[in-house]
Amino acid sequence: GQNIDQPTEMTATEGAIVQINCTYQTSGFNGLFWYQQHAGEAPTFLSYNVLDGLEEKGRFSSFLSRSKGYSYLLLKELQMKDSASYLCAAMDSNYQLIWGAGTKLIIKP
Amino acid sequence: ETGVTQTPRHLVMGMTNKKSLKCEQHLGHNAMYWYKQSAKKPLELMFVYNFKEQTENNSVPSRFSPECPNSSHLFLHLHTLQPEDSALYLCASSQDLEGAKTQYFGPGTRLLVL
Repeated sequence: GQNIDQPTEMTATEGAIVQINCTYQTSGFNGLFWYQQHAGEAPTFLSYNVLDGLEEKGRFSSFLSRSKGYSYLLLKELQMKDSASYLCAAMDSNYQLIWGAGTKLIIKP
Repeated sequence: ETGVTQTPRHLVMGMTNKKSLKCEQHLGHNAMYWYKQSAKKPLELMFVYNFKEQTENNSVPSRFSPECPNSSHLFLHLHTLQPEDSALYLCASSQDLEGAKTQYFGPGTRLLVL
């Protein structure tokens, strides 16, 4: 079957760094997406990885290892506004997204 | 703003009511999606439309009826819902279904069925 695993909740301190992990099992693979969703708002696109390695975009970076079925989202210099849920989704061979349940990130001052 | 709007934002309905959710995208996309989001669960894909044609129906009960009159608008008609249908209903759009395309989401309709 197809499955995405990510931690349910994480807590971090303002100004620190946090890494949110995601492991996936899909029938075929066409890339890994990360979305951010603030409470009561739309999920917004953060990153897409299809090749192995690290993609950096400002304070946010995303890493992919296809051989390990593993990705992580790295958030640096955490700000209070980064408190949100982070959704991991893998795209299968039919270009359908398989979603994780999301990681709720709590930032403390 | 993501370019995808949904109305209403909140809806309370009884099990015998009929209501409709509306989604509109201003991105010039050709594919539109309905998802159900329940607390602490992964997004559940319900329906997919591409160029106004339904391409996916993920075994959704018939009490949910989608309608796509054109590539910019998507509706979800609801009737005789059950309390377990209470959830956040998200609409999304993408350029099309060719290859790996990013989906853009609306803010959702928070539905409560009493």
